[in-house]
Amino acid sequence: GDSVTQMEGPVTLSEEAFLTINCTYTATGYPSLFWYVQYPGEGLQLLLKATKADDKGSNKGFEATYRKETTSFHLEKGSVQVSDSAVYFCALGGSGGYNKLIFGAGTRLAVHP
Amino acid sequence: KAGVTQTPRYLIKTRGQQVTLSCSPISGHRSVSWYQQTPGQGLQFLFEYFSETQRNKGNFPGRFSGRQFSNSRSEMNVSTLELGDSALYLCASSFSPGQGPSEQYFGPGTRLTVT
Repeated sequence: GDSVTQMEGPVTLSEEAFLTINCTYTATGYPSLFWYVQYPGEGLQLLLKATKADDKGSNKGFEATYRKETTSFHLEKGSVQVSDSAVYFCALGGSGGYNKLIFGAGTRLAVHP
Repeated sequence: KAGVTQTPRYLIKTRGQQVTLSCSPISGHRSVSWYQQTPGQGLQFLFEYFSETQRNKGNFPGRFSGRQFSNSRSEMNVSTLELGDSALYLCASSFSPGQGPSEQYFGPGTRLTVT
């Protein structure tokens, strides 16, 4: 079945460091891809999305490009801040139809001053 | 616009009991999806409702059920609770104009503890 694999965390960085969180997927058809972020004690917030191959999603300095040839959707940010500390989830949508999302296991990011 | 609201935020139940969780979507959104989040299994899709009809279902036992009302508010019910049902239950709403996946907005979740 369809699935999402994320790099295991936690990822610990110093402020202003470069961030990459790897995400690869297995899917039939042409899924949409999403990154969600979860801050402590809160629900999920959509960070960015891409709906077709070569699309680049971006938001708040974060970017991810939908790479069909490598079935990847890696999340990047050039300079992280302490406030970016959270758990990041890569998700695949459109598998099984409608709004069902398949999530990766999540990657915890801790940014230190 | 007000966001997705879920009630209650915290709940403690005893094994064997049943529980009902409520979700109010963003105004104008017609689709409501439910997810279970646990440390061991991560985020798993339970079901989706659209215009009062269940149009997608995850791989959960029949003890998990839901419904949607004409105002798009949704409830999910878990009967005969088991210890393993302890989890954060998240609701997500979307406008969902077509069959493809649309942006979903999540509520803060209901933390269910089964003792």
